[in-house]
Amino acid sequence: AQSVAQPEDQVNVAEGNPLTVKCTYSVSGNPYLFWYVQYPNRGLQFLLKYITGDNLVKGSYGFEAEFNKSQTSFHLKKPSALVSDSALYFCAVRDSRSARQLTFGSGTQLTVLP
Amino acid sequence: EADIYQTPRYLVIGTGKKITLECSQTMGHDKMYWYQQDPGMELHLIHYSYGVNSTEKGDLSSESTVSRIRTEHFPLTLESARPSHTSQYLCASSGPGQGGSEQYFGPGTRLTVT
Repeated sequence: AQSVAQPEDQVNVAEGNPLTVKCTYSVSGNPYLFWYVQYPNRGLQFLLKYITGDNLVKGSYGFEAEFNKSQTSFHLKKPSALVSDSALYFCAVRDSRSARQLTFGSGTQLTVLP
Repeated sequence: EADIYQTPRYLVIGTGKKITLECSQTMGHDKMYWYQQDPGMELHLIHYSYGVNSTEKGDLSSESTVSRIRTEHFPLTLESARPSHTSQYLCASSGPGQGGSEQYFGPGTRLTVT
């Protein structure tokens, strides 16, 4: 079975400060990992993914994420937060060995304070 | 922006009515998905399709049905709407690849059953 956890329902950060949104996963095979962002009354937008290769993945809007196999984590990061980054962020995982579908985390509401 | 469309965006309907939520994509993707999401909450997969005439139920039990007669079209139908069906419904599609392809989401349909 595959699962993903986002331990923080809410993250607040001041504009200009670095931000981190946490994600941990559990799979039996190798993970395919994704981050999505959702703005109010919109669908999800793809930010970045890790399939294989370099552990540091760069994505849209200046976001990046680091795959850490030993800690089974895939935290989303940005060096300098913008107010416009305020949104709901979802981590998702697919087990490369067994799963046909994505499992989404419960979401983390990011608020960037001006 | 991904080329995936959902109509209507908002729907308020009375109990017992039959409704169809439309989803179309112009990317030629074989795989399509329907998710149910309560506001600000996690996504639950209710249906998916890997190609024409192929449909399967997702992790969350749903009274809705789907069809896939054409590659680009994946409508969801509720034969008799109930207040418990009130939610947001998100359609998504993904391209070829074993499992590392990201999903592209439509803007969603917010359904309210009175």
